[in-house]
Order: sequence, then structure tokens, then C-alpha cells
Amino acid sequence: NAGVTQTPKFQVLKTGQSMTLQCAQDMNHEYMSWYRQDPGMGLRLIHYSVGAGITDQGEVPNGYNVSRSTTEDFPLRLLSAAPSQTSVYFCASSYRPSGGRNIQYFGAGTRLSVL
Amino acid sequence: KQEVTQIPAALSVPEGENLVLNCSFTDSAIYNLQWFRQDPGKGLTSLLLIQSSQREQTSGRLNASLDKSSGRSTLYIAASQPGDSATYLCAVRPQGGSEKLVFGKGTKLTVNP
Repeated sequence: NAGVTQTPKFQVLKTGQSMTLQCAQDMNHEYMSWYRQDPGMGLRLIHYSVGAGITDQGEVPNGYNVSRSTTEDFPLRLLSAAPSQTSVYFCASSYRPSGGRNIQYFGAGTRLSVL
Repeated sequence: KQEVTQIPAALSVPEGENLVLNCSFTDSAIYNLQWFRQDPGKGLTSLLLIQSSQREQTSGRLNASLDKSSGRSTLYIAASQPGDSATYLCAVRPQGGSEKLVFGKGTKLTVNP
């Protein structure tokens, strides 16, 4: 199993450009999410999905869109990149078992710089 | 709003020392608490998950405890090794929502040979 795969690993954008960060998992996990990690801020939840066709906002959703057309894929779209979106982005996935034993698996991250 | 705090922010110890990392959270209504390890430039790896009904979990040289009523968890690392050098993150899953996690800012551990 590949686990959670994120592409690209690195990206540089100019202000105003749009792009899509890709996330795919091969573990048939229902739950997928996107976090951003900034120095001194920890990881913050951007958007999440509890299954195909279902998405919801996290703590910092502004400037980002998501969709979940398949169980495997959960892309994150930056509509008009801003320097404040310079960050490291992580995708995570997990099962949704009862009893609270949902270990989350993280991808290796996408390092994004917006100039 | 759930907040997670990790103390200290950084820790440097000599090889072989036993050490404790601390995590506190403001709302005891949680499903579980996870400890993660993050190596520089890498993603997060789950080390231990403690369900709200549990008091501790062990994996090799790692032992994590949970005192939900006081909002505290500790990660104990026995006989530390240079390979343990990494940032350790604590995260709680609040009750009443989805599987989303609330993270602390981490403790950066350096184990010196």
C-alpha cells in the first residue's frame, strides 16, 4: 500500500495564480482532511470530508475549495493564491470506526510558496 | 473552543536519558488523544492513540498516559536515542464532531550522542 500520497511535493506560485494540491489514499478510508502547518501555529484544519460527496469546513477554510467525487481522492484548490497561503499542506485519512480508535495517516506534505 | 498546549517547546537531552513530554487540553470532552512524530521535512507518523476510556498505551520504549479529567497527557520515552530526535505533536479528537483533530504546537526533541 502507498498510504496517503500528496503531489506535488514543492510548488512556487505567483500571487493570483490558482492551483490544485492532490491527495490520494489507497486504504479505502472514509474520512479525509487537509491541514496547513505554519511556524508557531501548529496544524490547523482547512477542510474535511466524511465520505464521497460530503465535505465541510474546518478552522481556516477561506481561499480554499475542496470536492470529494471518489473515496480515494480529495483535492485542495487554491482559487487565487495569496502570500498568506505560503505554508506546508498535509492531507490525512482514517477509517470511521466506533469507539474512537481512528488512527489518522498523513501524507508527506506539499510545501507551497506564494510570491 | 478546544486548545492544546505542549510544554516544553524544545528539549535537548543526552543519549540514554528517560524523558517526559507534556500535553494539556482545555476541554475534557474528547474521544481520543494521539501522539505523533514529525521528522524535518516529513509528514506525521502516529505513535500512540489513547481512547478516552483508557489511562495509558505503550509501544516499545514509549508510554503515553491520559488523565482526561485534568486535561493532561504525557509521553514518556525511555532510554532515549539520537534517532528519537524529532518534533512530537499531541492532538485530541473532540467529542460531538467528525474525526477532525486539534493539535498542539509540538515539542522539538534533540537527543545528543
